[in-house]
Amino acid sequence: EVQLVESGGGLVQPGGSLRLSCAGSGFTFNKYWMSWVRQAPGKGLEWVANINQDGSEKYYVDSVKGRFTISRDNAKNSLFLQMNSLRAEDTAVYYCARALQGAAGVQVYWGQGTLVTVSS
Amino acid sequence: EIVMTQSPATLSVSPGESATLSCRASRSVSSNLAWYQQKPGQAPRLLIYGASTRATGIPARFRGSGSGTEFTLTISSLQSEDFAVYYCQQYNNWYTFGQGTKLEIK
Repeated sequence: EVQLVESGGGLVQPGGSLRLSCAGSGFTFNKYWMSWVRQAPGKGLEWVANINQDGSEKYYVDSVKGRFTISRDNAKNSLFLQMNSLRAEDTAVYYCARALQGAAGVQVYWGQGTLVTVSS
Repeated sequence: EIVMTQSPATLSVSPGESATLSCRASRSVSSNLAWYQQKPGQAPRLLIYGASTRATGIPARFRGSGSGTEFTLTISSLQSEDFAVYYCQQYNNWYTFGQGTKLEIK
């Protein structure tokens, strides 16, 4: 059974940093693109970033470029999102998602999400 | 950026009836369109990709159609578990989601 488990969310002040983690199991982690998708409270879904199988390609939504960094550790079946210079508008549930084989933009499996709250 | 617009925002349908949800792209996304279902407090679930291909385990009552800029998700014989929020998402040019359609019980 495919499982994705996020951790690392919490309350952080504006300008602060947070590192999210996602542990994958039940599939061959290094064969898939992985993504972070977020959802602000009561709002819709927004793709944040994704990374290819070996970590050589990384892409970001414009609003987080230069502030967020996606990475992965295939030896530990883990995905990360380093978030710096956090803003109130970054407040959201952050989901880790695994892509469909051959279609990086289609998210087949999702974690349960971790809540990030940016507030003073 | 490709803007995805879903209509209606809320759709009220009785169980057993059919529901038709629409999604429009600001420019062509070919068939690079997915549909997701999300229930309160849960993560999204992939229903359809490639505009019309059902994901593994998705019942045949979910049908996706369309290409280019106009897409439709049709759910026939609505079951109680189908009442949720539905999002379309294009993956032709980066990735953007629609604002969602809430399917509620009439």
